Amino acid sequence: EADIYQTPRYLVIGTGKKITLECSQTMGHDKMYWYQQDPGMELHLIHYSYGVNSTEKGDLSSESTVSRIRTEHFPLTLESARPSHTSQYLCASSEWGRASVADTQYFGPGTRLTVL
Amino acid sequence: DAKTTQPPSMDCAEGRAANLPCNHSTISGNEYVYWYRQIHSQGPQYIIHGLKNNETNEMASLIITEDRKSSTLILPHATLRDTAVYYCIVRFHTGNQFYFGTGTSLTVIP
Repeated sequence: EADIYQTPRYLVIGTGKKITLECSQTMGHDKMYWYQQDPGMELHLIHYSYGVNSTEKGDLSSESTVSRIRTEHFPLTLESARPSHTSQYLCASSEWGRASVADTQYFGPGTRLTVL
Repeated sequence: DAKTTQPPSMDCAEGRAANLPCNHSTISGNEYVYWYRQIHSQGPQYIIHGLKNNETNEMASLIITEDRKSSTLILPHATLRDTAVYYCIVRFHTGNQFYFGTGTSLTVIP
């Protein structure tokens, strides 16, 4: 069972507010990811990180930002929330750099964000 | 950019084996086959993966054809809690995004 946590699980917030979605993993994984998923739709990668001080943008453009100051922590921030940000945000992590290990990603439970 | 084809939905009687097919005819030699499932909008749960050989773990078995162009996930004794959307994914062992596609919605019937 993967040890990856997301808080809050549900968030309802008004337009214009700044929010931070937390993601932590206790597996010592180097690589971490943020996906966005609308109901019944595919997952889309919005950010990822190879390790501390590494952040990259994913395939889907996003107005959010991320930081990676500690290996276990990969928070996602929206400076000014809008209704178009309403979605589910999923965090994942994986081992990286070991050629003999398939890069299995382990997901957190998700944060369902609603912006009014 | 999913490279797999799965039936959109399947039913399975509780206690019976659930066999979920996946076609990946363009798979390359270094690409793994992964299976995940997602229960009611929770985070996807890793099930199993394989490269060439059949694999088995405590959750399921993965059967990969010799030409690697298709595979089958087998849940040996399906329970109601196995009702979920099952995703078959093909990717290199290192990479960024998992392209989940639309998956197969499995309903286990009492």
